[in-house]
Amino acid sequence: QKEVEQNSGPLSVPEGAIASLNCTYSDRGSQSFFWYRQYSGKSPELIMSIYSNGDKEDGRFTAQLNKASQYVSLLIRDSQPSDSATYLCAVPLDTGRRALTFGSGTRLQVQP
Amino acid sequence: ETGVTQSPTHLIKTRGQQVTLRCSSQSGHNTVSWYQQALGQGPQFIFQYYREEENGRGNFPPRFSGLQFPNYSSELNVNALELDDSALYLCASSPPDRGSYEQYFGPGTRLTVT
Repeated sequence: QKEVEQNSGPLSVPEGAIASLNCTYSDRGSQSFFWYRQYSGKSPELIMSIYSNGDKEDGRFTAQLNKASQYVSLLIRDSQPSDSATYLCAVPLDTGRRALTFGSGTRLQVQP
Repeated sequence: ETGVTQSPTHLIKTRGQQVTLRCSSQSGHNTVSWYQQALGQGPQFIFQYYREEENGRGNFPPRFSGLQFPNYSSELNVNALELDDSALYLCASSPPDRGSYEQYFGPGTRLTVT
């Protein structure tokens, strides 16, 4: 059973700061990694995907992957109150089914 | 907006009853997955449909069943509802690229079992 671990938080950062969200995964064979944002009462929204070691940047978001350490992180620069949400990390369930296994999420609070 | 729609938005049922939830996938997406999300947890995979066939199942009992139709829309049926079935039920569609694991979620159906 693949596992994805995240600190539940809440992670509280001041507006304008960098928020750093972390995720570890159990299956060394995982090749794809996803970050979803979920506002309270809403469904998850895909915000980043990363497939190779290193950094991937998209606007204020940077995903970082270290396969040797089985660690993936999401950095949010210039954090805004609108970034306050739960951030879910996910990896493929297995190679046969195009489904994901999710961590329980980290709640981010950006203080104005 | 992902283009994935779900109905109904909210539902209240009594223990022992049956429920059907519906999902329309994003245009061109032929794979639909269903997830259950309990409060404070990440989504848990229930099952997946690809071209009208079940393509794998998570750790859920047989009273959770589903269908996919030729237009790729899908239904999730739950029989003999239990209190623990209270959750947000999410439908997600995937693009036809078989190498893609990206999932695009609908707004969800909030099911409350009393």
